[in-house]
Amino acid sequence: AQTVTQSQPEMSVQEAETVTLSCTYDTSENNYYLFWYKQPPSRQMILVIRQEAYKQQNATENRFSVNFQKAAKSFSLKISDSQLGDTAMYFCAFMKGSNTGTASKLTFGTGTRLQVTL
Amino acid sequence: DSGVTQTPKHLITATGQRVTLRCSPRSGDLSVYWYQQSLDQGLQFLIQYYNGEERAKGNILERFSAQQFPDLHSELNLSSLELGDSALYFCASSVGTSGGVRQYFGPGTRLTVL
Repeated sequence: AQTVTQSQPEMSVQEAETVTLSCTYDTSENNYYLFWYKQPPSRQMILVIRQEAYKQQNATENRFSVNFQKAAKSFSLKISDSQLGDTAMYFCAFMKGSNTGTASKLTFGTGTRLQVTL
Repeated sequence: DSGVTQTPKHLITATGQRVTLRCSPRSGDLSVYWYQQSLDQGLQFLIQYYNGEERAKGNILERFSAQQFPDLHSELNLSSLELGDSALYFCASSVGTSGGVRQYFGPGTRLTVL
């Protein structure tokens, strides 16, 4: 079974600064995907960024980037130029890959609550 | 807007009762997933359906059941409700065999058991 660990229950960052959220995972799979989801106070689950395990290059989406260390089973999220709208709960998630490239269940970490302050 | 709809938004009921949560996936998506988000258990996978068939099962209680209908909408039935079943229930959908691993989440149904 896969496990996802987020060791930072809460973090705070000032507007315009950079913050890094940590995530580690445990799996014996070689084919998998990793995700970061954002859950603002509205409770909607919003996909922030995705990383395929077979890709060495770290994924980036505008101000969001990841540091994927496959050997260390680490998948951290860096938010640059933090904005008030980034205030949310952030979940790291694991998905086992399939031969057909289709989706399967997500296994989530416990989340990190990020507060962006003025 | 993810394109996934869930009804109702909120549900308040009493212990011992039975409720049905409904989910309509994005147009064309064949897979539906149900997740439960509670203070105790965090976000956990309950069950997946693909084109009407059960595909995977997670930590779903025996008091809970689900199905996916020919029009691909899905229902999650919760019976003999207990206080601990109070949670936010998410439905997500994905494209199935045509590829793509992204899951699109609905807005959730907040269930309160009193």
